[in-house]
Amino acid sequence: GQSLEQPSEVTAVEGAIVQINCTYQTSGFYGLSWYQQHDGGAPTFLSYNALDGLEETGRFSSFLSRSDSYGYLLLQELQMKDSASYFCAVPDNYGQNFVFGPGTRLSVLP
Amino acid sequence: DAGITQSPRYKITETGRQVTLMCHQTWSHSYMFWYRQDLGHGLRLIYYSAAADITDKGEVPDGYVVSRSKTENFPLTLESATRSQTSVYFCASSDKVRELFFGEGSRLTVL
Repeated sequence: GQSLEQPSEVTAVEGAIVQINCTYQTSGFYGLSWYQQHDGGAPTFLSYNALDGLEETGRFSSFLSRSDSYGYLLLQELQMKDSASYFCAVPDNYGQNFVFGPGTRLSVLP
Repeated sequence: DAGITQSPRYKITETGRQVTLMCHQTWSHSYMFWYRQDLGHGLRLIYYSAAADITDKGEVPDGYVVSRSKTENFPLTLESATRSQTSVYFCASSDKVRELFFGEGSRLTVL
């Protein structure tokens, strides 16, 4: 089966850069996704990596190293609105459903 | 409007009652999912469906029943609600492995 690990909490100040790590164990690999969830809201898709390297989408970037079973989400120029929980997720062995990590709660301080 | 909608958004019920949470999507996505989210447990998969009339269990299926007679609908039924089923339930859909689209959630309280 799949299992994912993330830090439970990260704190940073406005304007800074923060990295949220995710390590995974999977029998097969179909990609690593990242989701953002604000308190009281629904998770929303941020990024997806199928191949090694960095994917950039505005202030957010996501990195994957398949050989290390490791990925991270990089948030630059942090804003107060980035305070949220961030989840990494991988598809299961058959690529038919998704397993989520426990989530990292990011607090952005003024 | 296009998207994925859940109803009801909030529900309070009593132990032993049957509850059905509805999920409807307008994208004709093949895959649909039900997750529950509890503090300290993140998102846990209850059931998923790869197509109409095809459903399969996830990580925590006990006490739940699903059906999918039409591609756009994926209701979740709690046959006899228990207090441990108090949670936030999210429905999601997808047509690719890479991205899930979530509904706004249904907040269920079982007294």
